[in-house]
Amino acid sequence: DTAVSQTPKYLVTQMGNDKSIKCEQNLGHDTMYWYKQDSKKFLKIMFSYNNKELIINETVPNRFSPKSPDKAHLNLHINSLELGDSAVYFCASSLRRTGDTQYFGPGTRLTVL
Amino acid sequence: GQQLNQSPQSMFIQEGEDVSMNCTSSSIFNTWLWYKQDPGEGPVLLIALYKAGELTSNGRLTAQFGITRKDSFLNISASIPSDVGIYFCAGQISGNTPLVFGKGTRLSVIA
Repeated sequence: DTAVSQTPKYLVTQMGNDKSIKCEQNLGHDTMYWYKQDSKKFLKIMFSYNNKELIINETVPNRFSPKSPDKAHLNLHINSLELGDSAVYFCASSLRRTGDTQYFGPGTRLTVL
Repeated sequence: GQQLNQSPQSMFIQEGEDVSMNCTSSSIFNTWLWYKQDPGEGPVLLIALYKAGELTSNGRLTAQFGITRKDSFLNISASIPSDVGIYFCAGQISGNTPLVFGKGTRLSVIA
């Protein structure tokens, strides 16, 4: 069974559109994360939620809005997509807070044309 | 923001050779983690280190948490073709701070 799953796997869209990426974990973890991996494979934290509460919000444009309907789900909505948003977005989860080992999803490759 | 210096950036080795890569930081970390990422996949945890001086093995992989708490290394012994991928170190200053990743070491194994 997949521990951390993301949909879609690939997302190709036009500049200016609004899109969402969904993430679900079935590990019973309390904390979930969104990371962005750029073309040089650099991984950077974007957001972290613990029990549906935002605990980390790095310097990310307001166009990115995470939503956690329950502690097993953390979705990422992106408004007014820009070319620079093209990247692979990874969801991850950990048992408690950020000090615990993080388990990553398979990633969503977003391409903005 | 916090940065980790990971080296080397890439390596080309013969199958059967041993590999060593390391990460250094200007700050003291409480946790060091090593991940491997295969093409088209998310990073997968290899080894987690939580104590200065700790030396931990996972099969042919061995990692150490430096005693200064500012560095860590990962060794892979007797490399095989499936070791190919990108290896990331990651560190954390304290339990409530974000995990910071190194820029990765891209390993290629020549059979």
